[in-house]
Amino acid sequence: AQSVTQLGSHVSVSEGALVLLRCNYSSSVPPYLFWYVQYPNQGLQLLLKYTSAATLVKGINGFEAEFKKSETSFHLTKPSAHMSDAAEYFCAVSGPGTYKYIFGTGTRLKVLA
Amino acid sequence: EAGVAQSPRYKIIEKRQSVAFWCNPISGHATLYWYQQILGQGPKLLIQFQNNGVVDDSQLPKDRFSAERLKGVDSTLKIQPAKLEDSAVYLCASSSDTDNQPQHFGDGTRLSIL
Repeated sequence: AQSVTQLGSHVSVSEGALVLLRCNYSSSVPPYLFWYVQYPNQGLQLLLKYTSAATLVKGINGFEAEFKKSETSFHLTKPSAHMSDAAEYFCAVSGPGTYKYIFGTGTRLKVLA
Repeated sequence: EAGVAQSPRYKIIEKRQSVAFWCNPISGHATLYWYQQILGQGPKLLIQFQNNGVVDDSQLPKDRFSAERLKGVDSTLKIQPAKLEDSAVYLCASSSDTDNQPQHFGDGTRLSIL
């Protein structure tokens, strides 16, 4: 069985500060991992994905994530937060042979001026 | 390319009424998903189609929810009769027929039950 845990349902950072959103996964097979962003009243937009190639994955809007198998983590980072980054972020896990995602409960990012 | 289209964007009904949502996936995407997203939670898969066949409907409350995907393209999700706990955003997503390809989401339908 697969599962995802996102630590911190709410995270606040100052504009220009480092963004770190945490995601830990559990999977009995090599996982595929995804980060999505959801702006108010919109669907989910893909930020980046890990599919067993490079462990450091670069995505859109300056975000990146590092797959660490030993820590079963896939944390999302951005060096400098922008006001437009305020949104909800979801981590999801899938696996070979299944298209099904298991989503985390989400982290709402607030960016302070 | 055009994204996943959903309608309506908002719907308000009274409990025990019926409601239907429509989804048009990205052209060429064989797999289509319906999710329920309750406020403050991550999306929960209700049903997954591959072409016009059901792959997974294990979390679909079949006593009140039904879904179909005629001709392997558009899909409709129906709730009959609606309960208060069905208030949520219903998201449709689609993906190509490869298991490491991402899902693409529509903007969802926000359903409020009075």
